[in-house]
Amino acid sequence: AQKVTQAQTEISVVEKEDVTLDCVYETRDTTYYLFWYKQPPSGELVFLIRRNSFDEQNEISGRYSWNFQKSTSSFNFTITASQVVDSAVYFCALGHSSSNTGKLIFGQGTTLQVKP
Amino acid sequence: EAGVVQSPRYKIIEKKQPVAFWCNPISGHNTLYWYRQNLGQGPELLIRYENEEAVDDSQLPKDRFSAERLKGVDSTLKIQPAELGDSAVYLCASSLVRERSFSYNEQFFGPGTRLTVL
Repeated sequence: AQKVTQAQTEISVVEKEDVTLDCVYETRDTTYYLFWYKQPPSGELVFLIRRNSFDEQNEISGRYSWNFQKSTSSFNFTITASQVVDSAVYFCALGHSSSNTGKLIFGQGTTLQVKP
Repeated sequence: EAGVVQSPRYKIIEKKQPVAFWCNPISGHNTLYWYRQNLGQGPELLIRYENEEAVDDSQLPKDRFSAERLKGVDSTLKIQPAELGDSAVYLCASSLVRERSFSYNEQFFGPGTRLTVL
């Protein structure tokens, strides 16, 4: 079975706090891809990062960082020094490379509220 | 570069009425996806097109939903008749998928159409 679980439904922080969004996935495939998308109130899903199953290096992009650990099937997302503009719903997603099907399986999302 | 365009942005209809959503993908993108996003949930794939061909419609409720992608560009998703449970946001996404490519191609999403069925 393929599944993505985002156990945190809502998180509220004060501006400048660090926050980590959790993502746990299930798959039997050895080759797969993991994604994070941001969905602001406007509704459009904005791509943040893609990581393939062979690359466990952590990545940092500005205030964003991602921690991929195959041993625990987790792909967590940390925002450092959060800002009000970070308020949105964040989705973790799983994709499989077999036949390059393009199907993404999304988690339920975590709503992040950053208060000034 | 223009993003994925969807219309209308909002639609309110009464149950049993028909409704249609339109999507214009990013120019040059050969693959188009329709997703449904229920309130408080992540998007779920309804149908995927490669050019004009629907290659994955296993999640599309075929008794009332239909889709087409004429000439491999724009796409229309239709519901007839609509039911209360169809209230959701319908998202369109597109990507450029190259043959024999190991890489997983990024999907670009449109703003969605929020459907309310009364």
